[in-house]
Amino acid sequence: DTAVSQTPKYLVTQMGNDKSIKCEQNLGHDTMYWYKQDSKKFLKIMFSYNNKELIINETVPNRFSPKSPDKAHLNLHINSLELGDSAVYFCASSPQGGAGELFFGEGSRLTVL
Amino acid sequence: SQQGEEDPQALSIQEGENATMNCSYKTSINNLQWYRQNSGRGLVHLILIRSNEREKHSGRLRVTLDTSKKSSSLLITASRAADTASYFCATLQTDSWGKLQFGAGTQVVVTP
Repeated sequence: DTAVSQTPKYLVTQMGNDKSIKCEQNLGHDTMYWYKQDSKKFLKIMFSYNNKELIINETVPNRFSPKSPDKAHLNLHINSLELGDSAVYFCASSPQGGAGELFFGEGSRLTVL
Repeated sequence: SQQGEEDPQALSIQEGENATMNCSYKTSINNLQWYRQNSGRGLVHLILIRSNEREKHSGRLRVTLDTSKKSSSLLITASRAADTASYFCATLQTDSWGKLQFGAGTQVVVTP
C-alpha cells in the first residue's frame, strides 16, 4: 500500500483553466503539507494542515486553495492557471508536526500551456 | 527565502569513492534533515540530526552538524551506482512549527 498517494501524476492543461490535485495518506499522521518544486529542483513549502486546521500558509497566490476534508486527505485546487504554475507539486505527511521526518508522495507534474 | 544551501550543486564520482556534500543555513534550528530524491520520484528521508547533536550515522551515511558555523555535511561512504540521486538538506527553524525548509539540492552521479 502506498503511504502517501497523489493523483494525478501528470496534468497538462491550458492557461486560465482550474485544476485540482488530490492527496491521501494512510499513515495515520496528523500533519500534511503541499510543496512546490520548480524546474531548478528548489522545493518551497506552500501549505500545512494539522488535524484539518491550516497552520502554514506561505506567500502563495490566492488562486491556490487547499482543502482538508479529514486528516488523511489534503487537496490542492488551483484557479486561473498561469504558465508560472508549471512545476511538480508534492504532498507530504508527518507524525510529529514537522519536528520529525516527512513522508512524501511521488509528486504531480503540472504543465500549463 | 531559501534557508538551506547545498554545496556543491553537482558531484560526479566513481563507484567505491566517498561523496561529501555540505549544507549551510541562516537561522537557528531545531533540527536538520537530509533527503534523497531519485529522478522523477518523491523525496525519501535519510537522517535527522537535532541541534544538540554533532554527528549521526546510518549505514553508509554520516551526518555532522556544526551549529556555530550553521553548517552540516553528509558523507556517503563506498558509493554505489544506486546512490545516484539529488540530495537535499532541510531545516526546521527554532520556534517554527512544522515549517521544514529545503535547499536546492546536490545532484550526485555515481558511475560504475
